[in-house]
Amino acid sequence: GNSVTQMEGPVTLSEEAFLTINCTYTATGYPSLFWYVQYPGEGLQLLLKATKADDKGSNKGFEATYRKETTSFHLEKGSVQVSDSAVYFCALLLFSGGYNKLIFGAGTRLAVHP
Amino acid sequence: ETGVTQSPTHLIKTRGQQVTLRCSSQSGHNTVSWYQQALGQGPQFIFQYYREEENGRGNFPPRFSGLQFPNYSSELNVNALELDDSALYLCATPPSPGTGVTEAFFGQGTRLTVV
Repeated sequence: GNSVTQMEGPVTLSEEAFLTINCTYTATGYPSLFWYVQYPGEGLQLLLKATKADDKGSNKGFEATYRKETTSFHLEKGSVQVSDSAVYFCALLLFSGGYNKLIFGAGTRLAVHP
Repeated sequence: ETGVTQSPTHLIKTRGQQVTLRCSSQSGHNTVSWYQQALGQGPQFIFQYYREEENGRGNFPPRFSGLQFPNYSSELNVNALELDDSALYLCATPPSPGTGVTEAFFGQGTRLTVV
């Protein structure tokens, strides 16, 4: 079936450290891939996206590359800030029978300390 | 600001009761999706409505139902509430590649607690 697997958290880093959050997926066809971020008490915000193989999504210093050969979409940031503390969700978009839906990973909590 | 508004923000209900959650979109999208996010988990797709008809459903029982109105606002109704229904419920305007919209926009969610 279709699924998304993320590395388990929490991930705890010091400010200015390098961040990697792993995400792999299983899907038929070639889905679009997304990273969403959820700050405490809030809904989901789109962080970045990639719609085809080898695309690189980027936003606010975060990057992720759509790797079809490894079915991965790992999130990276060169230097994290305290304000990046949040839960990060990897997701894929499926079109099926006239409707579309997002399939999310379980989320990875990131805590950045000064 | 995603342009998707949900109400109420928080709600407490008793097991066995019924609840209605609401969603509206500033831009008047003709398609809306609902997701359930249990504590510590990723959101799960409940169903999608297009032009007032349900056109897709996830693995949720029939006591989860919805409505979409001509002004494209939407409701999620849950009957016979169970403790496990406690979650954050998210409304979203889904991607619409035909219009060039390639991402979903989510509301802030309604936090439902069933006691």
